[in-house]
Amino acid sequence: ELKVEQNPLFLSMQEGKNYTIYCNYSTTSDRLYWYRQDPGKSLESLFVLLSNGAVKQEGRLMASLDTKARLSTLHITAAVHDLSATYFCAVDMNYGGSQGNLIFGKGTKLSVKP
Amino acid sequence: DGGITQSPKYLFRKEGQNVTLSCEQNLNHDAMYWYRQDPGQGLRLIYYSQIVNDFQKGDIAEGYSVSREKKESFPLTVTSAQKNPTAFYLCASSITGESNQPQHFGDGTRLSIL
Repeated sequence: ELKVEQNPLFLSMQEGKNYTIYCNYSTTSDRLYWYRQDPGKSLESLFVLLSNGAVKQEGRLMASLDTKARLSTLHITAAVHDLSATYFCAVDMNYGGSQGNLIFGKGTKLSVKP
Repeated sequence: DGGITQSPKYLFRKEGQNVTLSCEQNLNHDAMYWYRQDPGQGLRLIYYSQIVNDFQKGDIAEGYSVSREKKESFPLTVTSAQKNPTAFYLCASSITGESNQPQHFGDGTRLSIL
């Protein structure tokens, strides 16, 4: 059974600081997705990571995937208040095949304070 | 603009009552999904459908039912057998087989018990 663990689950940061959110998963997969959710809102896609060593960057966020270590990271550079949200990673169950179902982590609630 | 429309935004269920949540998409996606989100938790898959007139149970299908009579529509019924239905329900869709495309989410329906 595929399990996805994120840590930390809660993160309080000061503006301007850097931090990394970790996403570990338990069985082989080669596709991982990062989403952002604002309170009471839907999920917004941030990154799609499709291969070992994949790195994607958008603004102050950078995501990477290490399929051998079964680990993805979401790095936040010089945090600003607008990044406050809950961030989810989701892992595709169907290794080596077409897109399968996703298993989500519990999310990391990020709060960026002045 | 293409997207996913969920209705209603808020829904209240009485004891012993079945209620139906609507999900419509105009993205021409083959696959559609229903997720349940509880406070502080990740998303859990209820049902999914890869093609019209076919659907499969997810991890927590008990007490729920779905239909997929049209490509655009994937309604979810929360039956009286679901004893703890209070949650945020999210519908998603995706292109089948295209792993570089993330799942797209609707704005959700918040279901509460009267």
